[in-house]
Amino acid sequence: DGGITQSPKYLFRKEGQNVTLSCEQNLNHDAMYWYRQDPGQGLRLIYYSQIVNDFQKGDIAEGYSVSREKKESFPLTVTSAQKNPTAFYLCASSIGQHSNQPQHFGDGTRLSIL
Amino acid sequence: GIQVEQSPPDLILQEGANSTLRCNFSDSVNNLQWFHQNPWGQLINLFYIPSGTKQNGRLSATTVATERYSLLYISSSQTTDSGVYFCASGTYKYIFGTGTRLKVLA
Repeated sequence: DGGITQSPKYLFRKEGQNVTLSCEQNLNHDAMYWYRQDPGQGLRLIYYSQIVNDFQKGDIAEGYSVSREKKESFPLTVTSAQKNPTAFYLCASSIGQHSNQPQHFGDGTRLSIL
Repeated sequence: GIQVEQSPPDLILQEGANSTLRCNFSDSVNNLQWFHQNPWGQLINLFYIPSGTKQNGRLSATTVATERYSLLYISSSQTTDSGVYFCASGTYKYIFGTGTRLKVLA
C-alpha cells in the first residue's frame, strides 16, 4: 500500500537531548511537510521541502532541523534549542508545489519530555 | 498570510442530527482540504475541494472560492463522527483553522 510512515509513534526526550523523528513515503511525491500540533490547537508548519536537497522554514522552525537527501525521506530533528518540544508531530506529502493537489498525512509521533 | 477561521468551535449533536461546519478564508483559495482528526490523532482526508461541491456518503462539502468560504455538511450523524474537523488552505504550505470539536451523543 502507498502511504506515509512515521516512526516512532511515541518518543520521550531528556533535557538537552536531540531527537529525530522519521517520515518515509512511497507515494513518489516531490513535496513533504512537517507540522506541529499542540493540545486543542490546529496544525502549524515547521519545515517543508518541495524537492530533494532543498527545504524551507515554515512558521515555527526555531529549534528544529531537517534534511532531504532522498525523495522518500524527510526526517525532523528536535534540537535542545526547542524549549517546549512536547507536542504531536505530523508529516505530510503532496505531488509537488506546482500542482494544486491534496496533502496526505502520516499517523503522527507524540513527543514528550522526561 | 492567509487567515482561516472555523465555526462553530464546538458542537454537540444527538445521533441522527444534521450539521453544517464553516470555514472562512481571508485570501483567495488555491488548495482546500477538510480533515477529520479521530481520537487517536489520525488526520483523515475528507475532501479536497478548492471549488464546487463534492459528496461522499453522508458527508458533502461546498467551496465558494469567489466568496472565500467552504462548508462541510454532515447528515444523519453517528457517534463515530465525533472528533475534530479541520479545514486547511494554501498554495504549497497549508494554514489550518483551529477546528470544530464535534461530539455526537448516542
